[in-house]
Amino acid sequence: AQTVTQSQPEMSVQEAETVTLSCTYDTSENNYYLFWYKQPPSRQMILVIRQEAYKQQNATENRFSVNFQKAAKSFSLKISDSQLGDTAMYFCAFMTPTSGTYKYIFGTGTRLKVLA
Amino acid sequence: NAGVTQTPKFQVLKTGQSMTLQCAQDMNHEYMSWYRQDPGMGLRLIHYSVGAGITDQGEVPNGYNVSRSTTEDFPLRLLSAAPSQTSVYFCASSLGDRGYYGYTFGSGTRLTVV
Repeated sequence: AQTVTQSQPEMSVQEAETVTLSCTYDTSENNYYLFWYKQPPSRQMILVIRQEAYKQQNATENRFSVNFQKAAKSFSLKISDSQLGDTAMYFCAFMTPTSGTYKYIFGTGTRLKVLA
Repeated sequence: NAGVTQTPKFQVLKTGQSMTLQCAQDMNHEYMSWYRQDPGMGLRLIHYSVGAGITDQGEVPNGYNVSRSTTEDFPLRLLSAAPSQTSVYFCASSLGDRGYYGYTFGSGTRLTVV
């Protein structure tokens, strides 16, 4: 069975600094997708970044980038130039289209606080 | 373009009552799903649908029913509410029929069962 582990329940970072959130996963599949979602206090879940496992190049979206290590089954999120609006829960998620189903598996989340 | 709309935002039910959580999307997404979010447990899949007329169970389907008569709507029914169903419920949809592109989420429904 696939699992997703976020080992850091809470983190904090100073405004304008860089922070890295960890995520590891376990799967025997070779074709899968990885995601990071942000959930601010407003509760709305927002897709931050997406990575396709068959692509070796790490995905980037403005200040957000990932370090995808397929062999180590690691998918960390780096936030550069942290802003107060980055304060949120961050969820790592895994999806594989095995057997025609499309079930996402979410980690338990990391609560990030950006300090002024 | 409203995205994914969930109603109500908050609800309090008594044990044994039934209710329907509404979810509608206007993006012509084929894939829709319901999740519940509990502290320390991330999001767990309740039911999902890959198109009108097609639904399937997720990880925690007991006590919930769904139907998908149109592409736009995917309501979640609680048959007989129990305190264990106190949670935040999210509806999500995805472009295409595989969910490869990530989800668009609704703003959630906070349900309390007393």
